[in-house]
Amino acid sequence: KNEVEQSPQNLTAQEGEFITINCSYSVGISALHWLQQHPGGGIVSLFMLSSGKKKHGRLIATINIQEKHSSLHITASHPRDSAVYICAVPPGGSARQLTFGSGTQLTVLP
Amino acid sequence: DTGVSQNPRHKITKRGQNVTFRCDPISEHNRLYWYRQTLGQGPEFLTYFQNEAQLEKSRLLSDRFSAERPKGSFSTLEIQRTEQGDSAMYLCASSFGGDQPQHFGDGTRLSIL
Repeated sequence: KNEVEQSPQNLTAQEGEFITINCSYSVGISALHWLQQHPGGGIVSLFMLSSGKKKHGRLIATINIQEKHSSLHITASHPRDSAVYICAVPPGGSARQLTFGSGTQLTVLP
Repeated sequence: DTGVSQNPRHKITKRGQNVTFRCDPISEHNRLYWYRQTLGQGPEFLTYFQNEAQLEKSRLLSDRFSAERPKGSFSTLEIQRTEQGDSAMYLCASSFGGDQPQHFGDGTRLSIL
């Protein structure tokens, strides 16, 4: 089973700050997912990456396969970025169902 | 793209009752997943289908839980004789193949009185 650790659990930032959320996993994987969950439950897939870096708007995701570590960065953070950010990986390298971290609650204050 | 649709959004029921949730995946997606999420935790895998075949079930899926995807399109998740511990958000996701991103519905929040 793949264990997923996220840090920090909670993060409060001022609008405009650069945000970093970290994710570590225990077993080699084919790809890692970053997801965003807003109050009310809906989950949006932000990134699926297997190497290097991906960028979408103000969001950047990086992964280091050798170190089994990924980071999600938000540049110029905004209150609308407030949400729970979840890292997820397939268990044991399988590309089937996902094992999720417990999430990072981000609050961006105006 | 109508996205993944789940119904109902909220369900409140008394302990011991049966409940059924429905998930309509994105139409061309052959994979459908059910997850459960309790407060403050990340989602946990319950089961998944490839087309109409249920390929894997988690140990979390006790005998009181059953899931179906009879025609390889929509899926239902039934919980019989509900218990307090079943209170959670039940999330459905779909994907086109196992290597593609999963698209999530808004979930069904179940509250057991």
